[in-house]
Amino acid sequence: GESVGLHLPTLSVQEGDNSIINCAYSNSASDYFIWYKQESGKGPQFIIDIRSNMDKRQGQRVTVLLNKTVKHLSLQIAATQPGDSAVYFCAENNRDSGTYKYIFGTGTRLKVLA
Amino acid sequence: NAGVMQNPRHLVRRRGQEARLRCSPMKGHSHVYWYRQLPEEGLKFMVYLQKENIIDESGMPKERFSAEFPKEGPSILRIQQVVRGDSAAYFCASSPQGQGAIQPQHFGDGTRLSIL
Repeated sequence: GESVGLHLPTLSVQEGDNSIINCAYSNSASDYFIWYKQESGKGPQFIIDIRSNMDKRQGQRVTVLLNKTVKHLSLQIAATQPGDSAVYFCAENNRDSGTYKYIFGTGTRLKVLA
Repeated sequence: NAGVMQNPRHLVRRRGQEARLRCSPMKGHSHVYWYRQLPEEGLKFMVYLQKENIIDESGMPKERFSAEFPKEGPSILRIQQVVRGDSAAYFCASSPQGQGAIQPQHFGDGTRLSIL
């Protein structure tokens, strides 16, 4: 299940199940979105990205869905594995702003239960 | 194919000292970004640089913090007269020239700065 408290929201899933991690982004003008995975003591690792002219993009075991109407992004991980345990961040960018800085979400910790 | 290299990985400073964090971008990348991360939080943008130019420093504190990306050598994030509140993980990312917004930024493993 999902819990929210003083620390990062945590999603616990059984190994082999599908995971869905959600993200609400802030800027309706954002036109590029990225999901990163961050393991303890490491930097963010790119997973998948999507541009605003798309609403779905698939990678290997991962799918990103974009709903611009409600400014919502989700990451779906199929057949979740122990190695998927990490913190997942969404990031957004507005290319028209003239800067390439990313705005990161607060993150979700994914725990895979054996 | 070396990724983004940051050093040191861990840095301990006493209050009032200076901290210098280094970042070598991926080969072929000429855009560098610095972000800061507090425990259990997302990354916060600090500064975006190209070779010899600061493009966007809207996330940098007005005092004590500076960044450079010289023609030769790594990018440097410099924090003068450090205070306890500067304790954080500092991440550098890079992207190819002109592609920062439509290709993902690639991150290093960060420098963990601890202020005693």
